[in-house]
Amino acid sequence: GQNIDQPTEMTATEGAIVQINCTYQTSGFNGLFWYQQHAGEAPTFLSYNVLDGLEEKGRFSSFLSRSKGYSYLLLKELQMKDSASYLCAVRDRYAGNNRKLIWGLGTSLAVNP
Amino acid sequence: EAGVAQSPRYKIIEKRQSVAFWCNPISGHATLYWYQQILGQGPKLLIQFQNNGVVDDSQLPKDRFSAERLKGVDSTLKIQPAKLEDSAVYLCASSWGENLKQETQYFGPGTRLLVL
Repeated sequence: GQNIDQPTEMTATEGAIVQINCTYQTSGFNGLFWYQQHAGEAPTFLSYNVLDGLEEKGRFSSFLSRSKGYSYLLLKELQMKDSASYLCAVRDRYAGNNRKLIWGLGTSLAVNP
Repeated sequence: EAGVAQSPRYKIIEKRQSVAFWCNPISGHATLYWYQQILGQGPKLLIQFQNNGVVDDSQLPKDRFSAERLKGVDSTLKIQPAKLEDSAVYLCASSWGENLKQETQYFGPGTRLLVL
């Protein structure tokens, strides 16, 4: 079946580093996305991984291990504005060339001063 | 570049009433998605269009929900009749199309529906 697990809540301090983990089970893995969603707003795209390794983009980095079904989002030099929900989404290929995005429930990150 | 537009932003209705949501995707995006997001959960795909054809509507409650994208651009999502459990945010997203790198989804601001 299809399943995505990520922690429900995390707390961190301004200026620190936080790692948000995501584990997944899919039959036809075809890429992993991280989205940020502030309260009351729509999700916005952060990163995309389809090959193993680390993708760095400013203060945010995302890592993927396909053999372990595992990804993490690393946020450095945390700022108060990083308080948001972080959604892990996996693209699953099924029935030939059809693709569907499977969403996790999100990790609510609170950054404290 | 203009983003995904949705209207209305908020809607309050009574159960058993009807409601319709409108979405205008980013210009040139062939794929359009409607999601339902209940508070504290991730988005749940209701329906995906490729141009004006339906790609996936497996999670759309077809007895009460319907959606169309007649000219392959704008789309409407309708609920008739609404139930209390339909209270949620309805998100519209769009993407370029089938190319792997270009399937990043861009979301509109959403419509917050409250069914009383």
